[in-house]
Amino acid sequence: DSGVTQTPKHLITATGQRVTLRCSPRSGDLSVYWYQQSLDQGLQFLIQYYNGEERAKGNILERFSAQQFPDLHSELNLSSLELGDSALYFCASSEGTANEQFFGPGTRLTVL
Amino acid sequence: GEDVEQSLFLSVREGDSSVINCTYTDSSSTYLYWYKQEPGAGLQLLTYIFSNMDMKQDQRLTVLLNKKDKHLSLRIADTQTGDSAIYFCAESSGSARQLTFGSGTQLTVLP
Repeated sequence: DSGVTQTPKHLITATGQRVTLRCSPRSGDLSVYWYQQSLDQGLQFLIQYYNGEERAKGNILERFSAQQFPDLHSELNLSSLELGDSALYFCASSEGTANEQFFGPGTRLTVL
Repeated sequence: GEDVEQSLFLSVREGDSSVINCTYTDSSSTYLYWYKQEPGAGLQLLTYIFSNMDMKQDQRLTVLLNKKDKHLSLRIADTQTGDSAIYFCAESSGSARQLTFGSGTQLTVLP
């Protein structure tokens, strides 16, 4: 158990819908990273927050957004969902930005 | 840009050593990581090596780093059936030290 929690574990929704994925980092970790794992793209970095502020963006679509709250939990919002958004979404946390990242169990999103 | 490459498959006999190889491109990487992913599970951090080190040993795991060739390897001694999984190599780079992952190596341990 990495200490990082993600909810829900599974999510099934329809095209055009909007969903919110939630992540709670390990106690004391200030950084939260979001990654997407899909069959065709592999594991890709989406976005990072540090102590409530966005620090870096990767291959994140404009339909996707995230935030980190004062209690340090983070949410990833995915809107206008398409079939190609079906993937595993991982959250990882680290103490800072130069430390090892610990991954949550992931949320499996299926868009029908 | 950054790119991390791994071979896709490796099969070994139980009790043998496994060696999983990885090449990376970003010479500014500070840390290089190995993660393990079992079916239906998240990514488990196995070990990591700082870029100024050549080798790191942690129980059955040995990481070797050749900075000149940008080559990283993970050796698993006395491989067991429980080691069957996908192993990802990753480099940390960029302003946020985000991870760039390889495609993963599927390790199959045969009895």
